[in-house]
Amino acid sequence: DQQVKQNSPSLSVQEGRISILNCDYTNSMFDYFLWYKKYPAEGPTFLISISSIKDKNEDGRFTVFLNKSAKHLSLHIVPSQPGDSAVYFCAAERAQKLVFGQGTRLTINP
Amino acid sequence: KAGVTQTPRYLIKTRGQQVTLSCSPISGHRSVSWYQQTPGQGLQFLFEYFSETQRNKGNFPGRFSGRQFSNSRSEMNVSTLELGDSALYLCASSLELADYNEQFFGPGTRLTVL
Repeated sequence: DQQVKQNSPSLSVQEGRISILNCDYTNSMFDYFLWYKKYPAEGPTFLISISSIKDKNEDGRFTVFLNKSAKHLSLHIVPSQPGDSAVYFCAAERAQKLVFGQGTRLTINP
Repeated sequence: KAGVTQTPRYLIKTRGQQVTLSCSPISGHRSVSWYQQTPGQGLQFLFEYFSETQRNKGNFPGRFSGRQFSNSRSEMNVSTLELGDSALYLCASSLELADYNEQFFGPGTRLTVL
């Protein structure tokens, strides 16, 4: 039972354009949603989070949007840079447990 | 300060064997969580330890176990290895429970079961 799903295994975006990574969830009881970034041979790094009571959180080039009615969240990266090429995981938290999606590999093309 | 370290980085075992992985958290961190990463399932939560006590557990069989020592270092053990246990095992540490904004992951241990 995959409670958090990232349906796009990969995404390719031109440098300077917007990258939009999507994530769907099934459990409406999640309290927090998070995005992590992972480079090869390294552990995931926390990127940005959003509380379930909010619909938007912004941090520099990164913005996370939460649509509770659709049980959908997205991560926008503007403008995309070559260093953003990595695997991105969304995660949802409830009762101090994190549930992760399968990840989306983002490639930024020069 | 030093990050989260995991040893060994790579491991090859055969079916039926058992394995122990080690995680040293960032100095001062008391919470250690373990995750299994596989291509199809993403990261799946195994368990979390805080002050030597298991505080949370994911949906893994009893072959997966762990412990935490008084210096916060943690080990996880997998007994009777199966082919499907081949994965990247990640640990993450934080000061307190559920401090996700300040949770740091180690580089992982890549386990291959033949």
